[in-house]
Amino acid sequence: DAKTTQPPSMDCAEGRAANLPCNHSTISGNEYVYWYRQIHSQGPQYIIHGLKNNETNEMASLIITEDRKSSTLILPHATLRDTAVYYCIVRVAVSNSGYALNFGKGTSLLVTP
Amino acid sequence: KAGVTQTPRYLIKTRGQQVTLSCSPISGHRSVSWYQQTPGQGLQFLFEYFSETQRNKGNFPGRFSGRQFSNSRSEMNVSTLELGDSALYLCASSLLGGSAQYFGPGTRLTVT
Repeated sequence: DAKTTQPPSMDCAEGRAANLPCNHSTISGNEYVYWYRQIHSQGPQYIIHGLKNNETNEMASLIITEDRKSSTLILPHATLRDTAVYYCIVRVAVSNSGYALNFGKGTSLLVTP
Repeated sequence: KAGVTQTPRYLIKTRGQQVTLSCSPISGHRSVSWYQQTPGQGLQFLFEYFSETQRNKGNFPGRFSGRQFSNSRSEMNVSTLELGDSALYLCASSLLGGSAQYFGPGTRLTVT
């Protein structure tokens, strides 16, 4: 799996967009970018994933650069409940050897009033 | 549709004992993975089961084992507990096996 680099922490004001970056310069052509988050003491929550096109769902948007070496998770209107650790994971979608996720250290996002 | 459930939610054991944790995946999901989370090591992959077969295993000693039943429910067992096994144990399921996994709330194990 390609290595990812995320800032250790970020702050965001409530109601503003939170833009969480992730670098994955060694990503392979068949690897997807996945985002998860973990609110304190809860299980991680799957947010979104994408290959090369931008993706949007009810939770967030994922913007992947054209060269696929970096991506940004966007929470359009951050709320206090979005305070969590956000993990960017690069992984193949289909694998004969299973689906172990390497969570790394993630970005701790603090949304402030 | 009900989410991933794990039982028990909290457990206290003493060193040397063994423990069994249970995970019920989302209905229809055939892949179940287990992870250990500690403050020092973060989230670490333990193993994954698909159609009752262990497909992948993380770097944990043989004291950690698991199994999956025909209804996709899974159990993990830790024998000869050590203080360092105190952790949050998380179970995740996915439809056919994939990287979009859905996690349960975890079982908080404390070893004294």
